[in-house]
Amino acid sequence: GEDVEQSLFLSVREGDSSVINCTYTDSSSTYLYWYKQEPGAGLQLLTYIFSNMDMKQDQRLTVLLNKKDKHLSLRIADTQTGDSAIYFCADLTGGGNKLTFGTGTQLKVEL
Amino acid sequence: GAVVSQHPSWVICKSGTSVKIECRSLDFQATTMFWYRQFPKQSLMLMATSNEGSKATYEQGVEKDKFLINHASLTLSTLTVTSAHPEDSSFYICSARDFGVAGKLETQYFGPGTRLLVL
Repeated sequence: GEDVEQSLFLSVREGDSSVINCTYTDSSSTYLYWYKQEPGAGLQLLTYIFSNMDMKQDQRLTVLLNKKDKHLSLRIADTQTGDSAIYFCADLTGGGNKLTFGTGTQLKVEL
Repeated sequence: GAVVSQHPSWVICKSGTSVKIECRSLDFQATTMFWYRQFPKQSLMLMATSNEGSKATYEQGVEKDKFLINHASLTLSTLTVTSAHPEDSSFYICSARDFGVAGKLETQYFGPGTRLLVL
């Protein structure tokens, strides 16, 4: 089945950029998503990218997709303490029916 | 944006009792809803796909007789954990799929989650 991997932890200083990486295995993916989860809460959709795109920018967020290497990244510019959370990448698979989630990356923003 | 609610947000119950969790799409109709389970510091595990007016589709390894799903309307799906045991303690999250209109991205919107503790 589909396998989506992320690094577990990232620590950055406030004001710096954060880059969260994700790799996936399903070459038939159509959409890839980034979700944010704060402690004890559900998931908030941050952004997404269609598989025929290389890059998408949305305010402080930049998504890069390397389809050949099956690598997805999320860059957060000017990272703030409120960005501290767990970030999940997700891949739309199963003929467009299922989201397969990555393992999640805990982002910690230090002053 | 689309809003999905869950009720209750947390529940503590005794072993052997049944617990019902509701998932509602508040401002859109969802023919398909999903139920996930999340263990501490882990990712979401899809348990089942809930289809309005038909039987749910369960993922491999998920007991359908233990986790009863009912999707009776376009805005409500329920998950009942029957004869709950301590190992069922977890964070349960639902999502609702919004197909939207032409040109709008099909997206899953997530509820805030329900934390279940079985004593």
